[in-house]
Amino acid sequence: DVKVTQSSRYLVKRTGEKVFLECVQDMDHENMFWYRQDPGLGLRLIYFSYDVKMKEKGDIPEGYSVSREKKERFSLILESASTNQTSMYLCASSPPGQIYEQYFGPGTRLTVT
Amino acid sequence: AQSVTQLGSHVSVSEGALVLLRCNYSSSVPPYLFWYVQYPNQGLQLLLKYTTGATLVKGINGFEAEFKKSETSFHLTKPSAHMSDAAEYFCAVTVWSFQKLVFGTGTRLLVSP
Repeated sequence: DVKVTQSSRYLVKRTGEKVFLECVQDMDHENMFWYRQDPGLGLRLIYFSYDVKMKEKGDIPEGYSVSREKKERFSLILESASTNQTSMYLCASSPPGQIYEQYFGPGTRLTVT
Repeated sequence: AQSVTQLGSHVSVSEGALVLLRCNYSSSVPPYLFWYVQYPNQGLQLLLKYTTGATLVKGINGFEAEFKKSETSFHLTKPSAHMSDAAEYFCAVTVWSFQKLVFGTGTRLLVSP
């Protein structure tokens, strides 16, 4: 089974802090994604990556950046956390050519105070 | 651009009753359609998918969905609800040339004894 793990289930940070959310997948998938999930808004794509050192903006990239130095790891970075970034963050991966068959991690619930 | 609309943020059924979760899509080209399920405190997992071919598709746990082009719909059904079906369900759309999934806002299914 594909396993996607996220570094923390719950995280509390203060406004202005730099925040790193880590995601690791163990199935050698090319594609990786970061979403945020908010009630009533569903999942919104923040960034995605097709390969090492490649990244593409999603629908809501403002206030976020990403890093993919190794194929299995995709990091989401909040340069200066703000309260409106309090949310559930989901990481996903998918094999090449099957962008839609995404495997999700359990999520990180981030609270910014 | 592609989009999906899920009617009803919450659906309540009794155990043993029919489950019907509604999804309508918008796409100017033939869509690929998906249902994902999110159980409490877990990430999303793919329930079923329609890409081409048979319009009635079967998924895991007894769920099925029918692609109806004339109605631009992809409703999810299950003949008899089980308590373990309580979860949030997301409809998603993409097209073959598109690089990402577009998710609906989700429908929470509540199953009562």
